[in-house]
Amino acid sequence: GAVVSQHPSRVICKSGTSVKIECRSLDFQATTMFWYRQFPKQSLMLMATSNEGSKATYEQGVEKDKFLINHASLTLSTLTVTSAHPEDSSFYICSARDPSAGDNNEQFFGPGTRLTVL
Amino acid sequence: GQNIDQPTEMTATEGAIVQINCTYQTSGFNGLFWYQQHAGEAPTFLSYNVLDGLEEKGRFSSFLSRSKGYSYLLLKELQMKDSASYLCAVSDSNYQLIWGAGTKLIIKP
Repeated sequence: GAVVSQHPSRVICKSGTSVKIECRSLDFQATTMFWYRQFPKQSLMLMATSNEGSKATYEQGVEKDKFLINHASLTLSTLTVTSAHPEDSSFYICSARDPSAGDNNEQFFGPGTRLTVL
Repeated sequence: GQNIDQPTEMTATEGAIVQINCTYQTSGFNGLFWYQQHAGEAPTFLSYNVLDGLEEKGRFSSFLSRSKGYSYLLLKELQMKDSASYLCAVSDSNYQLIWGAGTKLIIKP
């Protein structure tokens, strides 16, 4: 089955620093990847849709200058949290669609990255 | 607006059967997904329904009625490892997933 990896799995950083999270599709090419954020006991919140070779589409209320997304290849998308603050502490999850997996539009999820900003 | 409703929490007994309901109102419909999420982990795919009816996969089954905007996930022969949150998500007209808040399922011995 389609596998998506994320790195790092956990990161702790100081307030004001930047953190980069990588999302890779290991055995398929993903033209579209998605970045989600999940706060404790809440559901997934879509932050942005990452399209290979073009600008990401951000959801309303998500600052594109703070959450930089780069989808430079068909297997890699990165999310950079710039000038992180404690309120950015959350569980960040990426997902990707495998275009060859049929019509069910299933999204395959990475294992997530736990970000803690001190 | 778009809306997905599912119960916040349910409790069931090991070995029993539990049904988790999901109702939805979305702009367009391109299928409904159920995902399982254990605490601190990413969601894992359970089922996909795009046509009305029941889809059975081992101990888990999922049902869809498009006219009623309704789905349920049925879990049989419950095991302690089934304790998790179950997320209902609908793919809308833009193929974007609209997520429910999730149902936390607690299994008691």
